[in-house]
Amino acid sequence: QKEVEQNSGPLSVPEGAIASLNCTYSDRGSQSFFWYRQYSGKSPELIMSIYSNGDKEDGRFTAQLNKASQYVSLLIRDSQPSDSATYLCAVRGAAGNKLTFGGGTRVLVKP
Amino acid sequence: NAGVTQTPKFRILKIGQSMTLQCTQDMNHNYMYWYRQDPGMGLKLIYYSVGAGITDKGEVPNGYNVSRSTTEDFPLRLELAAPSQTSVYFCATQGGSGGTEAFFGQGTRLTVV
Repeated sequence: QKEVEQNSGPLSVPEGAIASLNCTYSDRGSQSFFWYRQYSGKSPELIMSIYSNGDKEDGRFTAQLNKASQYVSLLIRDSQPSDSATYLCAVRGAAGNKLTFGGGTRVLVKP
Repeated sequence: NAGVTQTPKFRILKIGQSMTLQCTQDMNHNYMYWYRQDPGMGLKLIYYSVGAGITDKGEVPNGYNVSRSTTEDFPLRLELAAPSQTSVYFCATQGGSGGTEAFFGQGTRLTVV
C-alpha cells in the first residue's frame, strides 16, 4: 500500500463547477496535511494546509480532513481555466517525520 | 532573500558519469528534502534531513547519496548515472519541526543518455 494515494485523473470539470479531489494516507499517526498545485514545468506551490479534523476554507478552496478514515480532500469551487494543473496531496507522517507526496491528480477545467 | 536555490537547472549526463545537484537555502530551515518527479507522476522522496549532520533515506534512495554538513546546504550526489535517473529533481525545505509549508526550489531537469 502506498503511503499517500490519489486518483491520477484527469478530472475534467466545466468552468464554474466544483472540482472534488481525494487523498488517502496509510500512517495513522500523521498530523500535518497539505495540498499543493503544480503547473506543468513548474515547482509545486502550497494551496492549503490542514491539521485538525473538519473543514478549512480559503477563498474558493476548501480542505476537508477525516483522521479516523485517513482521508483528506480538496474542493475547488467556481473552477476557472487557470485552475487547470496537477494537485498534489502531501502528508507529514509520524514515522520519520518525513513529508510524503501522492501521485497527484490532474485537473482540466474546460471553458 | 533567495529562498531555496538549486543548481544547475538543466544537465545532460552520459551513462556512468557522476554529478552533484546543489541545493542551498537561506531560510534557516531545519528540514530539507530531495524529490524526483518522473513525467506525469508525483514526487518521490529520495533523501531527507531533519538538521545538520542528520540524513535519512526516503522511498527511492538507490543510486544517490547526500550530506548535510551545514543548515544551508543539502547536496545530492549521483554516482554512475543510469537512464532510469532521468527526471526532474526538486529540493524543498520546511521550518519548525516540519509541520509547516514546504518551500521548493526551481528544480533540476536531468537527462542521462
